[in-house]
Amino acid sequence: NAGVTQTPKFQVLKTGQSMTLQCAQDMNHNSMYWYRQDPGMGLRLIYYSASEGTTDKGEVPNGYNVSRLNKREFSLRLESAAPSQTSVYFCATGGSTDTQYFGPGTRLTVL
Amino acid sequence: AQRVTQPEKLLSVFKGAPVELKCNYSYSGSPELFWYVQYSRQRLQLLLRHISRESIKGFTADLNKGETSFHLKKPFAQEEDSAMYYCALPSTGRRALTFGSGTRLQVQP
Repeated sequence: NAGVTQTPKFQVLKTGQSMTLQCAQDMNHNSMYWYRQDPGMGLRLIYYSASEGTTDKGEVPNGYNVSRLNKREFSLRLESAAPSQTSVYFCATGGSTDTQYFGPGTRLTVL
Repeated sequence: AQRVTQPEKLLSVFKGAPVELKCNYSYSGSPELFWYVQYSRQRLQLLLRHISRESIKGFTADLNKGETSFHLKKPFAQEEDSAMYYCALPSTGRRALTFGSGTRLQVQP
């Protein structure tokens, strides 16, 4: 079992470029999440999906979009990247309890 | 709204010394509280949750509702405990977690 996987591991973008971060899970969890991790700010929720076919905004959704393609996959898209989106992005899943399981992260730099 | 406060950005101790990582919260109701740990270059992983009342890797945490605290403690720190520690609780109105800003624990030899 791979658990939660994310691609890519690293990415450098120029301001204005777009990209999609991919997340997949084999834990059969209904809920999936995207967080960003910034120094001194902890993890902040960008978007989440309580089940296949539903998505909701989190604390910092501006500049992002998401797609819950199926139960396994939840992607995060940056349409026009900005330097303020330089961060480490974590995908997570959750089952019937509140415990969450995290992917390895994607380190994104926007120049 | 719920909030998690970790007042220390960095805690540096010597090997064998006691450790206490502070976490205070604001939440209406009875929260479920978590500690997550992130070792260097690794993903976040659950260290412990208060409802299970376990001791993991020698760490314990007691929920103090009067002081609204959930401090993480270990009597004798080891070098391998060096990591980033996050306190978290469920977000109101959504099935997600609200995290504190994290405390970096540095255990020196």
